[in-house]
Amino acid sequence: RKEVEQDPGPFNVPEGATVAFNCTYSNSASQSFFWYRQDCRKEPKLLMSVYSSGNEDGRFTAQLNRASQYISLLIRDSKLSDSATYLCVVSTFFTTSGTYKYIFGTGTRLKVLA
Amino acid sequence: EAGVAQSPRYKIIEKRQSVAFWCNPISGHATLYWYQQILGQGPKLLIQFQNNGVVDDSQLPKDRFSAERLKGVDSTLKIQPAKLEDSAVYLCASSLVTSGRAYEQYFGPGTRLTVT
Repeated sequence: RKEVEQDPGPFNVPEGATVAFNCTYSNSASQSFFWYRQDCRKEPKLLMSVYSSGNEDGRFTAQLNRASQYISLLIRDSKLSDSATYLCVVSTFFTTSGTYKYIFGTGTRLKVLA
Repeated sequence: EAGVAQSPRYKIIEKRQSVAFWCNPISGHATLYWYQQILGQGPKLLIQFQNNGVVDDSQLPKDRFSAERLKGVDSTLKIQPAKLEDSAVYLCASSLVTSGRAYEQYFGPGTRLTVT
């Protein structure tokens, strides 16, 4: 089983639709979670951190479910400009190195159609 | 605030040649990461530095890849000799020190390597 799993998509949705992505992780000791957005041939850019209580930033809402070991990203009122790949990142503390390790999912492609 | 700088942006080499990539992190970021991203996949960590020390190089193919961060600021990643399967985008990222909490990572524009 992969440490971080995402549905690669693509998710094709019309403008204005609501779309949700899930990301599952295998290490129950993972502590921090992030969503990044990556446009074609560009670097990943931080979209939002995911907090235990859930958090919202405009049209974007992130949730964490520790019991089921997944995080989710909800995009409301999709825009054409939301078309991108959304990468899930899971971070785990390693006592041997005393630092956090970040594992990326393969990403979910979103295409918002006019 | 300046972001993570990388150079070159593109590189085409023949197999068995050597290549080097450079990265300058965001000022004040003690942790620096090199990732390899193959088309259609998520970034894979090659090596992680905290200041000038290596904290994780478990996925670095050490027979051909090497990296250094001598003064705890900028870093160089080298491949020698290159193989066809090394064709990928090499991303550098930095973050604040991670011993206390997992901080967000910030990425440079990447170097797109093509090995022919």
